[in-house]
Amino acid sequence: SAVISQKPSRDICQRGTSLTIQCQVDSQVTMMFWYRQQPGQSLTLIATANQGSEATYESGFVIDKFPISRPNLTFSTLTVSNMSPEDSSIYLCSQTRGGNEQFFGPGTRLTVL
Amino acid sequence: AQSVSQHNHHVILSEAASLELGCNYSYGGTVNLFWYVQYPGQHLQLLLKYFSGDPLVKGIKGFEAEFIKSKFSFNLRKPSVQWSDTAEYFCAVQNQAGTALIFGKGTTLSVSS
Repeated sequence: SAVISQKPSRDICQRGTSLTIQCQVDSQVTMMFWYRQQPGQSLTLIATANQGSEATYESGFVIDKFPISRPNLTFSTLTVSNMSPEDSSIYLCSQTRGGNEQFFGPGTRLTVL
Repeated sequence: AQSVSQHNHHVILSEAASLELGCNYSYGGTVNLFWYVQYPGQHLQLLLKYFSGDPLVKGIKGFEAEFIKSKFSFNLRKPSVQWSDTAEYFCAVQNQAGTALIFGKGTTLSVSS
């Protein structure tokens, strides 16, 4: 299995501010993924973060709103910029191990007031 | 675009009842299939996965799922549920090794003792 940690585990933020979420994995991986789970909803992929290249964003998500960094093979950050209450969600990072199996971090629960 | 459909939004069962949660996907090529579980207040855990081979796969905690290619289905089953199975269950599809997952909307299972 994989060990994935996220910081912070939860936060309450004011409208218009930004929050950077950190994700640390215990072994080197090429691809990491960022998902969002809105209240009562399923997980939606935000972007794929490859080390050494720009992140690839899914439809409906843009770099200006969700900038991602991937400085090395074990770490990534997701920033939620200029937040609004609609950004209140759980944000999860994940990584793939053994070719296909995907492991998820514990998530960051964000509440925007 | 790929999609995953989970037919049951909320299932309520008594302990010892049998469980079957439906999952259908739309993708014509080779897929990897997953069921994840999210217990209240906890993060996503992998229940079971199908990559190839025997279409009947067994997972943790007595769960199993059957891949029926002709029906594009991957239904989750358990012969006798327990109160501790109360959780959210997500079906997910991966169309290429190592890539992100496409999730269904999830099914909430409530088991009464």
